[in-house]
Amino acid sequence: QSVLTQPPSASGTPGQRVTISCSGSSSNIGSNYVYWYQQLPGTAPKLLIYRNNQRPSGVPDRFSGSKSGTSASLAISGLRSEDEADYYCAAWDDSLSGFWVFGGGTKLTVL
Amino acid sequence: QVTLKESGPVLVKPTETLTLTCTVSGFSLSNARMGVSWIRQPPGKALEWLAHIFSNDEKSYSTSLKSRLTISKDTSKSQVVLTMTNMDPVDTATYYCARIGDYGGSMIPFDYWGQGTLVTVSS
Repeated sequence: QSVLTQPPSASGTPGQRVTISCSGSSSNIGSNYVYWYQQLPGTAPKLLIYRNNQRPSGVPDRFSGSKSGTSASLAISGLRSEDEADYYCAAWDDSLSGFWVFGGGTKLTVL
Repeated sequence: QVTLKESGPVLVKPTETLTLTCTVSGFSLSNARMGVSWIRQPPGKALEWLAHIFSNDEKSYSTSLKSRLTISKDTSKSQVVLTMTNMDPVDTATYYCARIGDYGGSMIPFDYWGQGTLVTVSS
């Protein structure tokens, strides 16, 4: 059971816009930055969004992130077949002595 | 360029201790506020953070696994080592090391990842 809650699956057709949600609590998303990672099949995760809505160099602007309260979202516009992957959100949790938490992951299927 | 590479046994027996090494290049473990985390992923399941260590030797552990984990670093060898005691078949997973980057005083977690190493726990 992951600390951050994501829908297990999402889907869309090429060109569509899809969003993936990530729900947490006041001790993680509510008080810290949210990060998103993309994991293509058979590969290591890759940083996609940092500090809620910033894109690393090389990440297309089709990917965007947002945060409100204790929830965050990843939006992918102009969906492409190569976007089919697992997506994970992450945040620091201030509980106890502090630790990183991940969402359970969302498998995105491009129909 | 920044790279991380995990190494260690592919198979361990139940109750044994796992030792994994992450060898990094392209950055120094002595850089201010630079860190390395270990993260694992059971087959078909989600990512799970295990531990991190920073350049100043600050360490943090997963609360659920804290009693079984030890993280350390050898700056001269550019290596971070994770030990996990009392291995169980449920610990079967791909184990990744990932950098926590320092960008002008601001931390960005897991900005670079190793390729991962699959560890199977079985007798």
